[in-house]
Amino acid sequence: DTGVSQDPRHKITKRGQNVTFRCDPISEHNRLYWYRQTLGQGPEFLTYFQNEAQLEKSRLLSDRFSAERPKGSFSTLEIQRTEQGDSAMYLCASSRATSDRVGKNIQYFGAGTRLSVL
Amino acid sequence: GESVGLHLPTLSVQEGDNSIINCAYSNSASDYFIWYKQESGKGPQFIIDIRSNMDKRQGQRVTVLLNKTVKHLSLQIAATQPGDSAVYFCAENRNTGFQKLVFGTGTRLLVSP
Repeated sequence: DTGVSQDPRHKITKRGQNVTFRCDPISEHNRLYWYRQTLGQGPEFLTYFQNEAQLEKSRLLSDRFSAERPKGSFSTLEIQRTEQGDSAMYLCASSRATSDRVGKNIQYFGAGTRLSVL
Repeated sequence: GESVGLHLPTLSVQEGDNSIINCAYSNSASDYFIWYKQESGKGPQFIIDIRSNMDKRQGQRVTVLLNKTVKHLSLQIAATQPGDSAVYFCAENRNTGFQKLVFGTGTRLLVSP
């Protein structure tokens, strides 16, 4: 399977614990994105990497959230001191940078990691 | 604030009918739009995209129409099948160096046999 892979698919944790999710993008894609989706809503942007550089962060990404992409391939999203409000589906997407002036930005999504904070 | 929204939260159709899902966007700077399909327990799946310099684009059984005058986007699905049942999202992207997609809340399409 050459799609975006996320691990784990489900995570149940107690409030106050730290959790880490992993995303493996499509191999030739140099852009990687994290989104959060709550029930009945569309995905909300969290952060974006081009290669190993984190270029954009949403105000949704509080100090308890940190994302890394150390070698420009896989990425991790860590949430420290989880809160019940962090319960959501965390989606990863990847895309290929284009040189078009009005470039395509087709982002391909993984199946997500569903986090439940008790 | 900026938003991408949908007129109808749920659309029920009969198998074989044509479906039209609508989306309104508020940011006139948006110049690229994507439709995604999301089935239960899965991530969003790319369906079709359109750039702002076009007003229509066709794919296999799907057509996207863009009306920049009224900031409206629609997805037409021909001969709707039970496998089309899912939540559909439109998303916008402003290719000004910002790479995030802004999604609406989605429309649930229910196809009955």
